[in-house]
Amino acid sequence: EIVLTQSPGTLSLSPGERATLSCRASQSVSSSFLAWYQQKPGQAPRLLIYGASSRATGIPDRFSGSGSGTDFTLTISRLEAEDFAVYYCHQHGNSPPYPFGGGTKIEIK
Amino acid sequence: QVQLVESGGGVVQPGRSLRLSCAASGFTFRSYAMYWVRQIPGKGLEWVAVISKDGSSTYYEDSVKGRFTISRDNSKSTLWLQMNSLRAEDTAVYYCARFETYYYGSGRTGNGMDVWGQGTTVTVSS
Repeated sequence: EIVLTQSPGTLSLSPGERATLSCRASQSVSSSFLAWYQQKPGQAPRLLIYGASSRATGIPDRFSGSGSGTDFTLTISRLEAEDFAVYYCHQHGNSPPYPFGGGTKIEIK
Repeated sequence: QVQLVESGGGVVQPGRSLRLSCAASGFTFRSYAMYWVRQIPGKGLEWVAVISKDGSSTYYEDSVKGRFTISRDNSKSTLWLQMNSLRAEDTAVYYCARFETYYYGSGRTGNGMDVWGQGTTVTVSS
């Protein structure tokens, strides 16, 4: 069964800096099935990226996704104050399970 | 306005049952598969169950298999999660989410949970 491992667990950065988040799958995942979510405290998650690289509706272009096979990346080109949050990758393939990664928290340095 | 509203959470003793509801509005409910996702306080997201558009296919995370049942009524635009034999480790915020499939050019597709409810809290404690 597929396991998604996110790294690092916590990223300490300043506004304006670039953030690079990793999601590694235990076996190859179709890029169609890989999504990224943002969650702020006390809020429901929000879809950022689907199909590994396509931005969801209303998502700013400073967010980008890339990758294939077992290695996927979420990049935030220039962090803004509202981007400090927890980010999760998720895969929904052709058959279960449909795991989330453990999350990466971006905190203000 | 596209919206999902969960209800039915509360405090329940171990071994008892609880039924969560998710009322959908502002979109054609029957056109979407639906998820239940939970989050233990201070922890990450965990998928619980997913149901196909017509309800004919359901899938469960291993720890809830045989105890939880996901179902839907498309005529009422409502999703449910029946939770039986509850355990302390089921304590979490439970979210329902709409599962969208995107179609690109050249036959590519993508998917993701694009609409989420606000969550309902389930506490299993004696």
